[in-house]
Amino acid sequence: KNEVEQSPQNLTAQEGEFITINCSYSVGISALHWLQQHPGGGIVSLFMLSSGKKKHGRLIATINIQEKHSSLHITASHPRDSAVYICAVGNFGNEKLTFGTGTRLTIIP
Amino acid sequence: NAGVTQTPKFQVLKTGQSMTLQCAQDMNHEYMSWYRQDPGMGLRLIHYSVGAGITDQGEVPNGYNVSRSTTEDFPLRLLSAAPSQTSVYFCASRPGPHGETQYFGPGTRLLVL
Repeated sequence: KNEVEQSPQNLTAQEGEFITINCSYSVGISALHWLQQHPGGGIVSLFMLSSGKKKHGRLIATINIQEKHSSLHITASHPRDSAVYICAVGNFGNEKLTFGTGTRLTIIP
Repeated sequence: NAGVTQTPKFQVLKTGQSMTLQCAQDMNHEYMSWYRQDPGMGLRLIHYSVGAGITDQGEVPNGYNVSRSTTEDFPLRLLSAAPSQTSVYFCASRPGPHGETQYFGPGTRLLVL
C-alpha cells in the first residue's frame, strides 16, 4: 500500500464546477504539500500545510492531521486549471518527501 | 530572478555513456534536491543537499552522484547510463528545513537507448 493515496486519479468537469481532490496518507507527518504540474511539465508549489486551512485565490487546501487526510478545492473552475495535482508529505527538517501519483484534472469549457 | 534553471532540456544517451545534468538557483536557497518522475509513479528523491559541501542520499540514489561546491549549483552525474534511468529529472530548491515551499526547475527529459 502506497504511503500517499490520491483520489480520484482522473477528474473531468465542466467550467465553473467546484472541484475537490483528496489526499490520504498513512504515516505521521508535520507538513503536507500540494503541487500543480502543468501540461508542459513544469511543477509549481501551491500550498504547504501543517494544520487547518489555507486559501489562495480560488484554491483552498485543508488538512485533518488526526484523520491523515487533506483536500484541495478549486472554486469556479476554469480550463486553465487543467493540470495534474500532486500531494506530498514529510516532516520538518527532513528533506525526504513522499509523493502521491497525482490527480489529472481536465476542465471542459 | 531566474529561479531554478536546468540544462539540458532534453538529452539522448547510449547505454554506458556518462553525463551531467546541471541545476542552478539564484535565490540563495540552502536546500536543493534532485527528483526523477516516471509514468505511474510519484516523484522520487535521488539526492539532496542541505548546504554547500553537504549532500545525502534519497530514495533512489544508485547510479547517480552529486556534489555541492557552491550554494547556487547542484549538478547530478550519471556515471554509466542505463535504460532504467530514462526519466524526467527535476531539480528543486527551498530556503531551509522547515517545510517551506519548494521551487522546481523546468525538468530534463532523458532517454537512454
